[in-house]
Amino acid sequence: GAVVSQHPSWVICKSGTSVKIECRSLDFQATTMFWYRQFPKQSLMLMATSNEGSKATYEQGVEKDKFLINHASLTLSTLTVTSAHPEDSSFYICSARDLIGTSSYNEQFFGPGTRLTVL
Amino acid sequence: GENVEQHPSTLSVQEGDSAVIKCTYSDSASNYFPWYKQELGKRPQLIIDIRSNVGEKKDQRIAVTLNKTAKHFSLHITETQPEDSAVYFCAASRGGTASKLTFGTGTRLQVTL
Repeated sequence: GAVVSQHPSWVICKSGTSVKIECRSLDFQATTMFWYRQFPKQSLMLMATSNEGSKATYEQGVEKDKFLINHASLTLSTLTVTSAHPEDSSFYICSARDLIGTSSYNEQFFGPGTRLTVL
Repeated sequence: GENVEQHPSTLSVQEGDSAVIKCTYSDSASNYFPWYKQELGKRPQLIIDIRSNVGEKKDQRIAVTLNKTAKHFSLHITETQPEDSAVYFCAASRGGTASKLTFGTGTRLQVTL
């Protein structure tokens, strides 16, 4: 099946610093990748849709200047949490859809997630 | 936008019993309904999905039913085993290249011996 990786798997940073998280599709190309945030014992909340070669589409309530998304190639999207604060501590998960999938439906493949802790 | 509700939030069953999780959605244009299993600290794993042109789908011990008229879909797990213990999420989507998934709030399933 399609494989999506994330790096790093966990990160601890000081308040006020920026953290970059990478999401890669390893064996397929992805025009669109999605970034989710998941707080403990809660559901996955979509933050933004990352489109290769264009600006990301952010969900309502998500600050685009704080959560910078770059999708420079068909296999890589990055999420940068700028000026991180303790309330940004969460589990960040990306997903991707196979560009050449035979199905027109939105079967997404998830990365393993990145646990961010801001001190 | 789409709103997906999921019940129950927790479910405890004895090994061998069946478990049923129900979801409702609001967007009549949604046509793709996946179910995910998530273990603690890990990625969601797709366990089964259903398209709007199908009313029921089964894969071994897992089945999903869809009622488009009522806008609800359900996950059925039969002959539950301890390894079925996890959090289960339903989701809904309109489908298409960039269509996003809207997740339910999750159900924590505990299968006891």
